Amino acid sequence: AQSVAQPEDQVNVAEGNPLTVKCTYSVSGNPYLFWYVQYPNRGLQFLLKYITGDNLVKGSYGFEAEFNKSQTSFHLKKPSALVSDSALYFCAVRDPRDQAGTALIFGKGTTLSVSS
Amino acid sequence: GAGVSQSPSNKVTEKGKDVELRCDPISGHTALYWYRQSLGQGLEFLIYFQGNSAPDKSGLPSDRFSAERTGGSVSTLTIQRTQQEDSAVYLCASSFDRGSYNEQFFGPGTRLTVL
Repeated sequence: AQSVAQPEDQVNVAEGNPLTVKCTYSVSGNPYLFWYVQYPNRGLQFLLKYITGDNLVKGSYGFEAEFNKSQTSFHLKKPSALVSDSALYFCAVRDPRDQAGTALIFGKGTTLSVSS
Repeated sequence: GAGVSQSPSNKVTEKGKDVELRCDPISGHTALYWYRQSLGQGLEFLIYFQGNSAPDKSGLPSDRFSAERTGGSVSTLTIQRTQQEDSAVYLCASSFDRGSYNEQFFGPGTRLTVL
């Protein structure tokens, strides 16, 4: 069965420092991987996705993520954090062999807090 | 263009009452999803519509939950005889088609509180 784990409930980082939000997945084949961000009282916003090709994926707001097949990870990164990056981040996975095209499987989310 | 919209934004109801939650997907998106977000539980898939195909109801937690999608556009999620454990934020998402590589676009959600 497909699953996603976000091992950290919360990540704290100082503004200007690099940030990493961790995600590991379990899918039988090659996965499609997504990151979403949720600001308070808002819906989820798409940040980036990995489908195929380069392992390093660049997305919105300066975020990037690296697909590591051997470690089954897709960690979200940003070189220099901003206070405005403080939000709830969700990693999600989909098995491309799933012909039913059903929903994404989401992790439980990681709260990122960036201090000034 | 307009994003996914949901109404109402907040709904407070009494235990045992029925509620209807509405979702307007992005125009042209054929796939529509409902999720439930509970505190500390992440996002839980409820139901998926793709065009005129039969919906995937595999995520509905009980037979008190049902959903319709009329004309391949607007969707309504109905919860009958609400229980306190139904309290959550209900999120709707749409995507361009059933391609599993397409990202989903989410609405702002409906916060349901069952007293």
